[in-house]
Amino acid sequence: QVQLVESGGGVVQPGRSLKLSCAASGFTFSTYGMHWVRQAPGKGLEWVAVIWYDRSNKYYEDSVTGRFTISRDNSKNTLYLQMNSLRVEDTGIYYCARDAGSLRIIRYFDSWGQGTPVTVSS
Amino acid sequence: EIVLTQSPATLSLSPGERATLSCRASQSVGSYLAWYQHKPGQAPRLLIYDASNRATGIPARFGGSGSGTDFTLTISSLEPEDFAIYYCQQRNNWPLTFGGGTKVEIK
Repeated sequence: QVQLVESGGGVVQPGRSLKLSCAASGFTFSTYGMHWVRQAPGKGLEWVAVIWYDRSNKYYEDSVTGRFTISRDNSKNTLYLQMNSLRVEDTGIYYCARDAGSLRIIRYFDSWGQGTPVTVSS
Repeated sequence: EIVLTQSPATLSLSPGERATLSCRASQSVGSYLAWYQHKPGQAPRLLIYDASNRATGIPARFGGSGSGTDFTLTISSLEPEDFAIYYCQQRNNWPLTFGGGTKVEIK
């Protein structure tokens, strides 16, 4: 079955960096687009970024553009999120999610990980 | 950015009752709307996509309807495991956006 396991979260000071990973298994990783979605404490879900299955395209939510970079290594079945210049408002649980389309981007999320917590605080 | 507004914020119901959740978009999203169920500490789950199609393995008591700017998720008869937070999400435009959620709680 599809399994997505996030790691790399933690406590970091404002302005510092953190890199999240998402290990995928149970499906052909290289044929699915992948997303990061976050949830701030007490708030709803917020889409963060997407990367195409072949890395040909990437999109970001406006508030993270220029600070976060989504990437993937299809040989390692792993998705990444490099987060630079972190802000207090980036605090939350970060989920990786599989796009619902194979070899195309549907822009729905049909499988999710359990999330990794990120706290940005001085 | 398309803003999705969900109502009510909280729905207090008893098992066996019918739940009706609303999602309104700030501009038309066609039929490009999904619904997710999220329980604390768990991964969200896709319930409905393209407004009215049940995702794989989703029970028939979950139904979606609507198009354009107004959408509804209906749970015909609440089971104990259905008490959770529900989010709508549009895929019509970038950035992808979610509604603020409706919490379905036990009355």
